[in-house]
Amino acid sequence: ETGVTQTPRHLVMGMTNKKSLKCEQHLGHNAMYWYKQSAKKPLELMFVYNFKEQTENNSVPSRFSPECPNSSHLFLHLHTLQPEDSALYLCASSQDGLADYEQYFGPGTRLTVT
Amino acid sequence: GQQVMQIPQYQHVQEGEDFTTYCNSSTTLSNIQWYKQRPGGHPVFLIQLVKSGEVKKQKRLTFQFGEAKKNSSLHITATQTTDVGTYFCAGPDSGGSNYKLTFGKGTLLTVNP
Repeated sequence: ETGVTQTPRHLVMGMTNKKSLKCEQHLGHNAMYWYKQSAKKPLELMFVYNFKEQTENNSVPSRFSPECPNSSHLFLHLHTLQPEDSALYLCASSQDGLADYEQYFGPGTRLTVT
Repeated sequence: GQQVMQIPQYQHVQEGEDFTTYCNSSTTLSNIQWYKQRPGGHPVFLIQLVKSGEVKKQKRLTFQFGEAKKNSSLHITATQTTDVGTYFCAGPDSGGSNYKLTFGKGTLLTVNP
C-alpha cells in the first residue's frame, strides 16, 4: 500500500524546534487531510484541503500550520510544540473532500516532543 | 456536537470465536464507513454502507447499517489471528461541515491462538 506516503516516519523534536511533515498521494485524489492520533483519543481531524483549498480547520492551535501546494502534496509545519502534541500524525486522501468518500491513510509520522 | 460511540472498547477472543462491535451515532448518518488499524499500522478502509438496513459481507466479515441509519455493526465469524487490530466506524459530521468524518474510539480486538 504505497498510495499515500509520509516522511519522516519518526521525528523527535524539542519545544523550540521547527520541523515539517510531508505527505504525498499517488492516487489522483483531490482532497487531503491531517489527523492526530494519540493513545487514548479517537482520530482527531485537524485540517481538510479540497482542490488545494482549506475547507476545514478543526480548531487547531496555530503552532500547527498546514500547506497544500497542489492536490498531491500536503505539509504540516510545526513550531514551538508542547509535549502533549506527541502523537501519531496521519495524512489521508480521498477522491473528494466530502465526507461521503472513503479515505486512504498514509503510514503516519510518530512525533515525540521533548 | 455529533458523537459516534463504539462498544466494546476492547474484546479478547479465542481463535475461532465470533466477534461483534457496535457503532452508535447521536444523529442520523448519510453513510457509515468502517476501517481497520493493525497494531503499529494505519487505518485501512474496509467498507461503506449507505442504505437503511443494508447488509454487506466480505468473507468472514458482515457489516450492517441500522434501519434508522443511526447504528451499525461489524461481525466477524470464526476469528483468526490476522483479524487482530482496532476497528473504527466513522460517519459524516452532522454539525454543518460536509468535509468532516467523525470517527468512533474504536474496538481493539485481540485473538488468542
